[in-house]
Amino acid sequence: SQTIHQWPATLVQPVGSPLSLECTVEGTSNPNLYWYRQAAGRGLQLLFYSVGIGQISSEVPQNLSASRPQDRQFILSSKKLLLSDSGFYLCAWRAENEQFFGPGTRLTVL
Amino acid sequence: LAKTTQPISMDSYEGQEVNITCSHNNIATNDYITWYQQFPSQGPRFIIQGYKTKVTNEVASLFIPADRKSSTLSLPRVSLSDTAVYYCLVFNTNAGKSTFGDGTTLTVKP
Repeated sequence: SQTIHQWPATLVQPVGSPLSLECTVEGTSNPNLYWYRQAAGRGLQLLFYSVGIGQISSEVPQNLSASRPQDRQFILSSKKLLLSDSGFYLCAWRAENEQFFGPGTRLTVL
Repeated sequence: LAKTTQPISMDSYEGQEVNITCSHNNIATNDYITWYQQFPSQGPRFIIQGYKTKVTNEVASLFIPADRKSSTLSLPRVSLSDTAVYYCLVFNTNAGKSTFGDGTTLTVKP
């Protein structure tokens, strides 16, 4: 069966510090991968999606970037975090017309 | 991507049937309607998906009229554990992505 991992589960970072969140998928090959951010009490905002290694599409201009160095690995990064980057970050992969979500990373920028 | 509109919140009591309606007026031919459930600090969990008419699984039913501009998620005999946020979204099979709205917070009372 397919499994999606995200780490860390929670993270507290100072403003201006770098960020690296990792997502890996098991049990499937060449998945479409997605990064979402969820602000408190709001829906999910699509940040990036990838259809293959090295292929990244950005949905919203922002302080973040994404990379896909391997088929089942998706990384979300920032060089300098802003207060507004705080939120719940979710990685997802697609199977046909359904998306499966990871457990998420709670990021607090102070 | 088609935008969705749902009620912000709904209250119900244990044992009742709950119907949550979502509007998606600009749905496209290649769009599928999908509903997710999300508990606090967890990733969304797939509930049900449909294209038209009625779909039923072990946890819910999805009713979609012929024009597909709205859909209704029906949860039979809810329990306290069904208290969660429910998201309606339209998944575009061509683009391979979807847009989440702010969801409906369902509160089930004893």
